[in-house]
Amino acid sequence: ILNVEQSPQSLHVQEGDSTNFTCSFPSSNFYALHWYRWETAKSPEALFVMTLNGDEKKKGRISATLNTKEGYSYLYIKGSQPEDSATYLCARVGGSGYALNFGKGTSLLVTP
Amino acid sequence: DVKVTQSSRYLVKRTGEKVFLECVQDMDHENMFWYRQDPGLGLRLIYFSYDVKMKEKGDIPEGYSVSREKKERFSLILESASTNQTSMYLCASTTGTGGHEQYFGPGTRLTVT
Repeated sequence: ILNVEQSPQSLHVQEGDSTNFTCSFPSSNFYALHWYRWETAKSPEALFVMTLNGDEKKKGRISATLNTKEGYSYLYIKGSQPEDSATYLCARVGGSGYALNFGKGTSLLVTP
Repeated sequence: DVKVTQSSRYLVKRTGEKVFLECVQDMDHENMFWYRQDPGLGLRLIYFSYDVKMKEKGDIPEGYSVSREKKERFSLILESASTNQTSMYLCASTTGTGGHEQYFGPGTRLTVT
């Protein structure tokens, strides 16, 4: 099992703050990197899938970057809102190109 | 909208019982996955299937088996449930390889007493 590490484990910010999380992963035999948002009582939903070194993706106030050579990805949330409160998961795909190895997630709480 | 459904949201079973967790997707996806989520451990892959009747072990297959007789349905079987299989079970599906997002079901919270 290849370890995917996420930091911080949890984060509590005020509405309007910008924040970022880190996902570290083994850089060898890399295929893709996924980010998911998992809200309480709901299913995880995909935010981004990135495959190329230097990839940057954006969806509204959320963006992500990828560095496959050094094995990390950042997720940024600009102007956090209470509805951004969720657990953010990253997952690496390697080897066979099918299976995701997930990190333990970053739990974000945004208070008004 | 892609829809992945799971047969139960909550399930309580006794130790030693045979348990079936069913997952159905409606988007003609080739690949389906079973994960379990435990506090402090993240999502861990139990089994996946890339075609009908095909299966591959994930990271923690011990104590589980799977069945994929039809493309849209992927079943997880606990042959003899044990208390350490108490967990949240999530099913997912996707098309193509790992460069495509996975679509998750709502999860089944299984308690084995």
